[in-house]
Amino acid sequence: AQSVTQLDSQVPVFEEAPVELRCNYSSSVSVYLFWYVQYPNQGLQLLLKYLSGSTLVKGINGFEAEFNKSQTSFHLRKPSVHISDTAEYFCAVSDHDYKLSFGAGTTVTVRA
Amino acid sequence: DVKVTQSSRYLVKRTGEKVFLECVQDMDHENMFWYRQDPGLGLRLIYFSYDVKMKEKGDIPEGYSVSREKKERFSLILESASTNQTSMYLCASSLLDRVEQYFGPGTRLTVT
Repeated sequence: AQSVTQLDSQVPVFEEAPVELRCNYSSSVSVYLFWYVQYPNQGLQLLLKYLSGSTLVKGINGFEAEFNKSQTSFHLRKPSVHISDTAEYFCAVSDHDYKLSFGAGTTVTVRA
Repeated sequence: DVKVTQSSRYLVKRTGEKVFLECVQDMDHENMFWYRQDPGLGLRLIYFSYDVKMKEKGDIPEGYSVSREKKERFSLILESASTNQTSMYLCASSLLDRVEQYFGPGTRLTVT
C-alpha cells in the first residue's frame, strides 16, 4: 500500500514570489502521481499528473512538478504566484489499481 | 466537459437520522468514489464502485453504506448519523481503465 506525505501544512507567500510544495510518497511499485487544487468552497481540480515519460510535468495555471524516483518525491512549483493561487493543494498517488491515496494537504496563502 | 454533481452543498442533520448523499456524473464513467475530507487528514476513501450494483470498501467504511442502481448515480448512506460524521464529503468518478478522477463540489454535512 502506498502513502503520501506533504511536508508543509501551511505555506504563506508574497505575490509574484516563487513557491514550492513538497510531496513524498512510499510505494513498492511504480506509481502514478497527481497534484490537485481545491479553491475555497469548491471540489478538487486536477493541476497536473505524471503517468510515464518525462519527469518534468507541466500543468495548468503555470504550475509544474518533477518526479524524482530515487527520492520518491513529486514536488510542485510555480515561479511567480498570484493572489488567485490561494487554495489548498493535495498530492495523490496511485499504484495502478485506479484508487488514489491523498496527502494531508498544503494550504497556500498568497499575500499582496 | 466532465460534470459531477452532488445533491446538496450544505446539510444539517440530527444524531440518529438516516442521511442520503447523492452523486451524479454525466460522462458515462464506470468508476465512482466517495471520500470524506477532514482538516489535517486529507481525503480518505469510504467506498468505491466500478460497476452498477458493485461496491468495494475503502479505508474508512464503518458507519457508511452505498448504493449504485444506475451507472450515473452513486449514493452514500449514513444509516444512523453521529457527530463524528460531521465532515466534507466529496464524490468523484473516472473511466474504468484511467486513474484520473473528476470531483464534485462537495457536501458539507453537520450532524448535531
